[in-house]
Amino acid sequence: RKEVEQDPGPFNVPEGATVAFNCTYSNSASQSFFWYRQDCRKEPKLLMSVYSSGNEDGRFTAQLNRASQYISLLIRDSKLSDSATYLCVALNTGRRALTFGSGTRLQVQP
Amino acid sequence: EAGVAQSPRYKIIEKRQSVAFWCNPISGHATLYWYQQILGQGPKLLIQFQNNGVVDDSQLPKDRFSAERLKGVDSTLKIQPAKLEDSAVYLCASSLRGQGDTGELFFGEGSRLTVL
Repeated sequence: RKEVEQDPGPFNVPEGATVAFNCTYSNSASQSFFWYRQDCRKEPKLLMSVYSSGNEDGRFTAQLNRASQYISLLIRDSKLSDSATYLCVALNTGRRALTFGSGTRLQVQP
Repeated sequence: EAGVAQSPRYKIIEKRQSVAFWCNPISGHATLYWYQQILGQGPKLLIQFQNNGVVDDSQLPKDRFSAERLKGVDSTLKIQPAKLEDSAVYLCASSLRGQGDTGELFFGEGSRLTVL
């Protein structure tokens, strides 16, 4: 079983839609979580951290459910520029290393 | 501020040949990482350096892959001999300290390897 699992998509949504991605992790030793964004043929970039209390950054909201080992990312009012692959990332505190999921591809259509 | 520099951007070799990738991290970043990203997958950590010491190389296929970070700045990743399954993008990343501090890694644009 992969340490971080995501639905690969693609999610095809119209501009202005709200879309949510889910991610599950298997290692209960993982303590910190992040969402990275990767544009086609580009390098990954940190989008936001995920806190237990949930956190919001503009149109983006991230949530963590430790009991279910589940992380989510909600994007409101989707823009064409949101089209990218969203990588769910867990920090394994034992190995002090980031483990990336395979990513969920989002395509926002006009 | 200059980002993480990598070269070459693209490399095509035949199986059993060797290849080397070079990375120059962001100035002042103590931690350097090499990740392998196969098409359709997320990046997988190969090796992590803290200054010029290895912190984690548990997922590095040591029979064919090697990496060094002399003087705690630039780093090279070598594959010898290459296999077909090594076709991937090799991403170098750096961070000011360790990954656990903020979770923010700064990635280079990557070196795309095709093994024929």
